[in-house]
Amino acid sequence: GAGVSQSPRYKVTKRGQDVALRCDPISGHVSLYWYRQALGQGPEFLTYFNYEAQQDKSGLPNDRFSAERPEGSISTLTIQRTEQRDSAMYRCASSPIQGGLILVEQFFGPGTRLTVL
Amino acid sequence: TQLLEQSPQFLSIQEGENLTVYCNSSSVFSSLQWYRQEPGEGPVLLVTVVTGGEVKKLKRLTFQFGDARKDSSLHITAAQPGDTGLYLCAGAPPSNTGKLIFGQGTTLQVKP
Repeated sequence: GAGVSQSPRYKVTKRGQDVALRCDPISGHVSLYWYRQALGQGPEFLTYFNYEAQQDKSGLPNDRFSAERPEGSISTLTIQRTEQRDSAMYRCASSPIQGGLILVEQFFGPGTRLTVL
Repeated sequence: TQLLEQSPQFLSIQEGENLTVYCNSSSVFSSLQWYRQEPGEGPVLLVTVVTGGEVKKLKRLTFQFGDARKDSSLHITAAQPGDTGLYLCAGAPPSNTGKLIFGQGTTLQVKP
């Protein structure tokens, strides 16, 4: 079946512009996660949803970052007034519901490479 | 803030050698996962360990979860060039809101 997809794969924008990054999770997956990953480093947690409810947004760097998942499927990560320091790979992952103590497998998408000029 | 520290950060070895990657924290994790990531791809799950002292084997890879559930190790026997990649440990805090904390990764290069 289809895996997690993200669009666009590459986004170049000018400082001060808003960007919207889209994630389409695996069909039927309840949990959806957003991460930011620097080259050669581990993913940094941003936020996470179960269904349409945002469960934890403690990793969002500041109030320019927001995420939504209005119908419990596709999610959008929005960065307003982009800055050069926002340049990174943004990855989305999905999983069957994560709520117990034992981690379930997260399936990662190919990422969106964001470059802010 | 719970952190996972991986060591070494970089490892370059010859085919056939053995290696161990460590993942350490001062905090307890309810469970821990190891992922492998190839260039241009997202991380892919290798294993999940849950019980303190647990050992899991996956072909030439052996994973161990520390007795106190604060650390873990990944041992590869007779490394092959196909093992090259970024190895990541990731843990769930006891509160487990679903947040996954990743280590900074170990880049492994296996030369033929």
